Amino acid sequence: DAKTTQPPSMDCAEGRAANLPCNHSTISGNEYVYWYRQIHSQGPQYIIHGLKNNETNEMASLIITEDRKSSTLILPHATLRDTAVYYCIVRVASGGGADGLTFGKGTHLIIQP
Amino acid sequence: DTAVSQTPKYLVTQMGNDKSIKCEQNLGHDTMYWYKQDSKKFLKIMFSYNNKELIINETVPNRFSPKSPDKAHLNLHINSLELGDSAVYFCASSLGTGGYGYTFGSGTRLTVV
Repeated sequence: DAKTTQPPSMDCAEGRAANLPCNHSTISGNEYVYWYRQIHSQGPQYIIHGLKNNETNEMASLIITEDRKSSTLILPHATLRDTAVYYCIVRVASGGGADGLTFGKGTHLIIQP
Repeated sequence: DTAVSQTPKYLVTQMGNDKSIKCEQNLGHDTMYWYKQDSKKFLKIMFSYNNKELIINETVPNRFSPKSPDKAHLNLHINSLELGDSAVYFCASSLGTGGYGYTFGSGTRLTVV
């Protein structure tokens, strides 16, 4: 799996959009970008994923640059419950072997009231 | 219904004891995992298992062993517990081996005294 780089921590005001960057300059053509988050004391939770087009679901939006070397997860209206560690993971969609997701250090997003 | 359930949620035990953590998923997923999260909050995969292969992280001591009675269960057995085994252990499952839709349990906090 390609390596990712994320800032260790970020702050965001409640109600504002939280933009979390991720660099993945060594991403391969068949690798997707996945985002998971871990709220304190809970198991990680899937948020969104994408290959090259921008994606949106009920939780977030994912913007992937045209060269696919970086991406941004956007939480449009952050709430206090969005305080969590956010992980950006690059991996093939299938056939990658049953070796599981590799979690880096992630970004600790703190939503300020 | 809880998708991935682990028991017990908390486990306090003495050094040298043998213990087991149970995990069950009702999602129909074909691959299950065990992750360890230490005091520094790093999530590391220990095992991944489907009906075709068991992959063991080479850093995991052989005191740890997964047992899968069927596709919906992956239990973790730990022999001769050591202080350093204290951590939160997460079970997870996925359909296929890509990066999409991993579902994690709520974790088992193991404390070895």
